[in-house]
Amino acid sequence: LAKTTQPISMDSYEGQEVNITCSHNNIATNDYITWYQQFPSQGPRFIIQGYKTKVTNEVASLFIPADRKSSTLSLPRVSLSDTAVYYCLVGATGGFKTIFGAGTRLFVKA
Amino acid sequence: KAGVTQTPRYLIKTRGQQVTLSCSPISGHRSVSWYQQTPGQGLQFLFEYFSETQRNKGNFPGRFSGRQFSNSRSEMNVSTLELGDSALYLCASSLNSGPGHYEQYFGPGTRLTVT
Repeated sequence: LAKTTQPISMDSYEGQEVNITCSHNNIATNDYITWYQQFPSQGPRFIIQGYKTKVTNEVASLFIPADRKSSTLSLPRVSLSDTAVYYCLVGATGGFKTIFGAGTRLFVKA
Repeated sequence: KAGVTQTPRYLIKTRGQQVTLSCSPISGHRSVSWYQQTPGQGLQFLFEYFSETQRNKGNFPGRFSGRQFSNSRSEMNVSTLELGDSALYLCASSLNSGPGHYEQYFGPGTRLTVT
């Protein structure tokens, strides 16, 4: 399973766009990149998943360069309620030895 | 569609006791995974069940065990509780199992406090 590296924490203000980058130099050919969001005392919630280029849904966008050694989660116009921990996972995410790293703690200020 | 449910939500036990936690997956999901989350270790994989069979197990002592029933509901048991077992125990369900890229749906967790 590819190891991931993310910033430990980030601060932002309401209304700003937030980009969280995850490094995964050892990503394998079959690996997908998945991001989860977790609020305190709750289970993680799936945000977005992608394999290459760009994926967008109603919540976020995921940018993956051609070499796939990194990925960037983009949250448009964050609000206070986006304050949470964001986890980047690479590889198997179906429960089979799923590995969550330390995640990025995003704090959105008014 | 109802989400993953876990019971109880909060539990206080004494060192040496045992505890059983329950998880009901989303209807139609046959894979159930369990995780332990602590401030120091983060989210750690405990084990995964699929169609009543344990598919994989994380690096936890034998005091941690689980099972899955024919209706996909799952229970995990921790025997001889230690103070370090205090954690948020999360259950996640997904349609499929094994290596892949399946979305997992997490429950709200059971907060276990061992005194």
